[in-house]
Amino acid sequence: DAKTTQPPSMDCAEGRAANLPCNHSTISGNEYVYWYRQIHSQGPQYIIHGLKNNETNEMASLIITEDRKSSTLILPHATLRDTAVYYCIVRVLPPNMLTFGGGTRLMVKP
Amino acid sequence: DADVTQTPRNRITKTGKRIMLECSQTKGHDRMYWYRQDPGLGLRLIYYSFDVKDINKGEISDGYSVSRQAQAKFSLSLESAIPNQTALYFCATSDSRGRYGYTFGSGTRLTVV
Repeated sequence: DAKTTQPPSMDCAEGRAANLPCNHSTISGNEYVYWYRQIHSQGPQYIIHGLKNNETNEMASLIITEDRKSSTLILPHATLRDTAVYYCIVRVLPPNMLTFGGGTRLMVKP
Repeated sequence: DADVTQTPRNRITKTGKRIMLECSQTKGHDRMYWYRQDPGLGLRLIYYSFDVKDINKGEISDGYSVSRQAQAKFSLSLESAIPNQTALYFCATSDSRGRYGYTFGSGTRLTVV
């Protein structure tokens, strides 16, 4: 499985876009990029996933570089409720076993 | 009602006791998982099941066992609880095509004293 690298923490001002990067330079052609978040001690929440095209849903946008070695999760208008740990995971589809590493702790500030 | 329900939400038990954590889902998913989370760390997979007759060990299965009683029910047992099994436990489900990611329960906070 491809390994991912994320910054341990980031800050974002409320109302601004939060851009969370993820490096996955060893990603294989059939591996998808998944994003989850965990708010405090709640169960992780699925956000979005994609293969090579950019994806958007009601929660976020996922931008994957053309070489697929990195991606960015974009929360277009961050709110205080978006404060959470965000996990970037690379797996084949369907993801048999998701592995959650350290993630990025996003702090949205007023 | 929640899509994935875990019971109990909190439990304190003594060393050496047997304890069962239960998980039920209304998503109609085939696949179910048990994860453990220690403070400040990511989630680690304990066991997973792709259907009622399929049980697989995850990365940290020692000291745990599971039972898939039905498509909708997947329980985790600690046969003889020890203090280092104190953690937050999550159950999750997914469909066989992985179309919508995993759905997690709210977790069970287990303390072994």
